[in-house]
Amino acid sequence: DTGVSQNPRHKITKRGQNVTFRCDPISEHNRLYWYRQTLGQGPEFLTYFQNEAQLEKSRLLSDRFSAERPKGSFSTLEIQRTEQGDSAMYLCASSLGPLEAREGLNTEAFFGQGTRLTVV
Amino acid sequence: QQPVQSPQAVILREGEDAVINCSSSKALYSVHWYRQKHGEAPVFLMILLKGGEQKGHDKISASFNEKKQQSSLYLTASQLSYSGTYFCGTEAPSRPGAAGNKLTFGGGTRVLVKP
Repeated sequence: DTGVSQNPRHKITKRGQNVTFRCDPISEHNRLYWYRQTLGQGPEFLTYFQNEAQLEKSRLLSDRFSAERPKGSFSTLEIQRTEQGDSAMYLCASSLGPLEAREGLNTEAFFGQGTRLTVV
Repeated sequence: QQPVQSPQAVILREGEDAVINCSSSKALYSVHWYRQKHGEAPVFLMILLKGGEQKGHDKISASFNEKKQQSSLYLTASQLSYSGTYFCGTEAPSRPGAAGNKLTFGGGTRVLVKP
């Protein structure tokens, strides 16, 4: 296993276009997180999954953002009608989480290299 | 709500020590520490679970005070390779009765170790 893989690594798009990013987590990991990071800031939580269930979506996200993890394996993050403020690094992380979602996480989260989005 | 880290930045000479603090307003299940170098993904350092334990990673150690909802990262005898931005990630339910516990990161502490 080569770790968490994200595609594409870079994406330049025109304002108003839709974009979709893909994350392939480490194969046995049941938790998958999406974060957004801008220069000089920490990773900002967007959403996370336990297997195929999306447990939480940040209130900071507008309805233009949607994420799926249809079979509990890879995940996609779609941004519709992109705006210049969406320009950022989008990071995916995965972890071997507890069997029950409410239980604490006691294993590390592995990050992918991210997808850098530039909206022009 | 994201944890608060302090200081925001620190400059060290090689061999000096530093402490980075992470505070949360919520009761925590765990605290994770990561280091990120410019242009790279965050890399895991250590995780601390409830129980006030302390852990170490080479000459980097951390403690977790569950009652105070605080964690501290200790950089001892710093090396040039310690330069980077350090993030704490806290795991807590976003609200009572939430389906799960999300991992939320602080704003980071930039560390520069000079020769």
